[in-house]
Amino acid sequence: EPEVTQTPSHQVTQMGQEVILRCVPISNHLYFYWYRQILGQKVEFLVSFYNNEISEKSEIFDDQFSVERPDGSNFTLKIRSTKLEDSAMYFCASAGTGGDEKLFFGSGTQLSVL
Amino acid sequence: AQSVTQLGSHVSVSEGALVLLRCNYSSSVPPYLFWYVQYPNQGLQLLLKYTSAATLVKGINGFEAEFKKSETSFHLTKPSAHMSDAAEYFCAVRRNTGKLIFGQGTTLQVKP
Repeated sequence: EPEVTQTPSHQVTQMGQEVILRCVPISNHLYFYWYRQILGQKVEFLVSFYNNEISEKSEIFDDQFSVERPDGSNFTLKIRSTKLEDSAMYFCASAGTGGDEKLFFGSGTQLSVL
Repeated sequence: AQSVTQLGSHVSVSEGALVLLRCNYSSSVPPYLFWYVQYPNQGLQLLLKYTSAATLVKGINGFEAEFKKSETSFHLTKPSAHMSDAAEYFCAVRRNTGKLIFGQGTTLQVKP
């Protein structure tokens, strides 16, 4: 089965530093998402991306966050100035269509902000 | 607004016993409902989905779920638990925009 690939699997950074989390969605998919899961909490939606623009974002996704699909294959999440509370597991997901189509999730990047 | 509620953050069963994980949804339109499983240190894997084709949905690893509109429920069941079923289970509803809204999750513990 095709896979969504995320790199790195673990990222440690200092507070205030910029981080970029990388994802390679499934090649023919059109819808892309970032979710995060703070330790012990539920999975939260961050942002959805379709047709080269953000289609929806949550209140968590403030000006410190941005997403980009720079080359037609990668899908990145940038956090400009990390805070302690950004420590979480970040999941990338993609889907071929909207509606009832299932989302394929990557195995996640564990971000630790010190 | 669409949402899901999972009753019970932690469920413990004996190996071979019935597994029942509860999920209730709130939606003003026919929902797209999903169950995902997260094994330790892994990502989210789809177990099954409901898309209005059939009320009883069969998924992977022997799991199934029944959509009951009258009860606004989509409970996940498995007749006989296996040790390898120990994981975190998430019920989710999907909006037409594609956004998944997850429940709080239920940790399933399987005792030998």
